[in-house]
Amino acid sequence: EDKVVQSPLSLVVHEGDTVTLNCSYEVTNFRSLLWYKQEKKAPTFLFMLTSSGIEKKSGRLSSILDKKELFSILNITATQTGDSAVYLCAVEGSQTWGKFQFGAGTQVVVTP
Amino acid sequence: DTEVTQTPKHLVMGMTNKKSLKCEQHMGHRAMYWYKQKAKKPPELMFVYSYEKLSINESVPSRFSPECPNSSLLNLHLHALQPEDSALYLCASSQVVGARDLGNEQFFGPGTRLTVL
Repeated sequence: EDKVVQSPLSLVVHEGDTVTLNCSYEVTNFRSLLWYKQEKKAPTFLFMLTSSGIEKKSGRLSSILDKKELFSILNITATQTGDSAVYLCAVEGSQTWGKFQFGAGTQVVVTP
Repeated sequence: DTEVTQTPKHLVMGMTNKKSLKCEQHMGHRAMYWYKQKAKKPPELMFVYSYEKLSINESVPSRFSPECPNSSLLNLHLHALQPEDSALYLCASSQVVGARDLGNEQFFGPGTRLTVL
């Protein structure tokens, strides 16, 4: 069965710090890995990583995919209080199209 | 239009009621999804529609009945629910991309907060 594990489960940082979140996966015939940010509402799409797109960057957020070691990293630099949220990763295998397996999420709290 | 909309935002229903949740998108996506999310848990996939046909049912109880009347609309009909069905119900949509390397960016609606009394 497909498996997605996120670490750490939670962390508290000060504004300005850098945060590194990990998502490791075991999935049959990997297709894509998606990162989301969820505050007190629906998940907001951040990045999609695939075999042909293993690095993404948008402002202070960046993400890489290590296809060999089967994990992805989400980095947030110069954190702000508005970055406080749960960060979710979801993985899709090509064996079952459209079936996204979510990790448990990482709760990030950024203190002023 | 890059939005997925859901109605209602909140719903309170009794165990004998029949109600429906609605989801709409106008991004030309041909795949639509229902997820259930309990507090402090990740979303759990319930159903996937691809080209208006049900492609995945994650062994969801029959008291939840999905319907995809056209490529823009997705409904979830609710009947005889239990209090443990109280949760945030999320709709999502994506392109249907056949090529393995391209993946499917999936966008979520704001959700319907359901309470079953």
